Amino acid sequence: GAVVSQHPSWVICKSGTSVKIECRSLDFQATTMFWYRQFPKQSLMLMATSNEGSKATYEQGVEKDKFLINHASLTLSTLTVTSAHPEDSSFYICSAVDNVYGYTFGSGTRLTVV
Amino acid sequence: AQSVTQLGSHVSVSEGALVLLRCNYSSSVPPYLFWYVQYPNQGLQLLLKYTSAATLVKGINGFEAEFKKSETSFHLTKPSAHMSDAAEYFCAVSGDGTASKLTFGTGTRLQVTL
Repeated sequence: GAVVSQHPSWVICKSGTSVKIECRSLDFQATTMFWYRQFPKQSLMLMATSNEGSKATYEQGVEKDKFLINHASLTLSTLTVTSAHPEDSSFYICSAVDNVYGYTFGSGTRLTVV
Repeated sequence: AQSVTQLGSHVSVSEGALVLLRCNYSSSVPPYLFWYVQYPNQGLQLLLKYTSAATLVKGINGFEAEFKKSETSFHLTKPSAHMSDAAEYFCAVSGDGTASKLTFGTGTRLQVTL
């Protein structure tokens, strides 16, 4: 089956620094990748939709300058949390989509900003 | 627009008992419906999906769900709960099976007791 590799699985960073999270589709090409944020004991909130070679589409209320998304190839999308603050601490999950496998989720990244 | 409602944020069953997790949907187009399971600090694993074929969908780990258009429901069931089924379960809907974004319910935490 399809596998999506998400790295790192957890990261601790200082306030004011930036953190990059990678999402790779290992054995298929993803036409679209989605980025979600999940607060403790809550559901997944869609942050943005990323299509290869074009600008990401952000959901209402998500700061595009704070959460930079790059989808440089059909197998890689990155989410960079810029100038991170403690309120950005959360669990971030990516999902890659193709016509054969549908939606495949990464294993998530636990971000803690101290 | 699509939405899902999961009734019951927490369900507790005894090992060997029937598992029933409820999901009702709202969709302006014929929906694609999904059930996912999430273990702590992990991504989402697809249990099963409905894509307008058979209304009774069988998934992994003994789970199944029935699409009932008249009731706008897609409840998840398993005849006999196992301790390993304890996890968070999410129902999700999309406008099609691939590139459309998934909209998740708020999740149901399943507890399995001895």
